[in-house]
Amino acid sequence: GAVVSQHPSRVICKSGTSVKIECRSLDFQATTMFWYRQFPKQSLMLMATSNEGSKATYEQGVEKDKFLINHASLTLSTLTVTSAHPEDSSFYICSATPLGGTSGARGYEQYFGPGTRLTVT
Amino acid sequence: AQTVTQSQPEMSVQEAETVTLSCTYDTSESDYYLFWYKQPPSRQMILVIRQEAYKQQNATENRFSVNFQKAAKSFSLKISDSQLGDAAMYFCAYRSRDDKIIFGKGTRLHILP
Repeated sequence: GAVVSQHPSRVICKSGTSVKIECRSLDFQATTMFWYRQFPKQSLMLMATSNEGSKATYEQGVEKDKFLINHASLTLSTLTVTSAHPEDSSFYICSATPLGGTSGARGYEQYFGPGTRLTVT
Repeated sequence: AQTVTQSQPEMSVQEAETVTLSCTYDTSESDYYLFWYKQPPSRQMILVIRQEAYKQQNATENRFSVNFQKAAKSFSLKISDSQLGDAAMYFCAYRSRDDKIIFGKGTRLHILP
């Protein structure tokens, strides 16, 4: 089955610093990756859509200058939380859609990474 | 904009019994997918079952089945012969043509031994 990895699985950083989270599709190419944020005991909230080779599309209310997304290749998207503050502490999850989108045999499947727990002190 | 509503924050069921989780959604699209995801304590999202909107037949995956009522915009999940490993957070989700997934608030399912 298709696997999506995230690194690191958990990170602690000091307030004011930046932290980068990687999302990789291990055995398939992904034209589109999505980044979600999940607060404790809450649902997943879509933050942004990342397309390979183009700028990310952010959901309303998400600060694009704080959450920088780069989709440099068909297997890697990165989320950088800049000048992190304690309120940015959360669980960040990425997902990836295989190349071919909804027309592919697996096109309607979106594969989720295991998540990254960010704690800002 | 699409919305997904899960009105049951928590549910409990006796082991080996059957439980139904409710979900309603709102959309103006005619072509979409609906999903149920399970999130155990590890927080890894696990796909339980999917339903294509154009298919009238309800999806089934082993002990999991759905009742898809397109006109009513209802998409419930039935878990038969509940097992201790089914205890988790369950999210109903809507996927539109642009591949974005919108999740409901979730239902925490407890399995009573």
